[in-house]
Amino acid sequence: AQSVTQLGSHVSVSEGALVLLRCNYSSSVPPYLFWYVQYPNQGLQLLLKYTTGATLVKGINGFEAEFKKSETSFHLTKPSAHMSDAAEYFCAVSVRGEYGNKLVFGAGTILRVKS
Amino acid sequence: GAVVSQHPSRVICKSGTSVKIECRSLDFQATTMFWYRQFPKQSLMLMATSNEGSKATYEQGVEKDKFLINHASLTLSTLTVTSAHPEDSSFYICRAPPGTSGGWDTQYFGPGTRLTVL
Repeated sequence: AQSVTQLGSHVSVSEGALVLLRCNYSSSVPPYLFWYVQYPNQGLQLLLKYTTGATLVKGINGFEAEFKKSETSFHLTKPSAHMSDAAEYFCAVSVRGEYGNKLVFGAGTILRVKS
Repeated sequence: GAVVSQHPSRVICKSGTSVKIECRSLDFQATTMFWYRQFPKQSLMLMATSNEGSKATYEQGVEKDKFLINHASLTLSTLTVTSAHPEDSSFYICRAPPGTSGGWDTQYFGPGTRLTVL
């Protein structure tokens, strides 16, 4: 069964520093992988997705992620953190279901940005 | 823009009452809707999948009689939390993919419903 593991429930970085949020997946088939962001008391916003093609995926707000099959990883990075990046981030994998593609989410990582 | 609406956005109810949450697809037909629950400071867990014209399928551990799901039309799915208790307090989010694949983008997620049971 497909699953995702996010290492680190909380990550704290200084403003301007590199952001690295880790995600490892388990899948018996080529995975579709996603990163979502959630601000307090709000819904989900898709940051980026990997389906096929280029393994380095660029998303919104300066984030990018690289699909590494050999490492079963899909880590999220941003070169320079901004205060507005403080939020919770979820890695997810798409699972083919009988009625469509389910999304299985990781436990989430709360990003804190210090001034 | 958003193509999935969810109503209400916030509801507070007394223990023992039932609460209905609606999820609508705007400008497209959704034969499937996914319902997720997110407890405070936790991740989103898939509860069930509603399917137009057939019974909903529930994930393991989700009580079918507690969480009634009805896919009333090609644009409307409802989740009813029956005899709600404080432990049902959560953030409920629906997702309505436009077909059997895809539907991962932001606009296919409802904005969520915050349920608080007193």
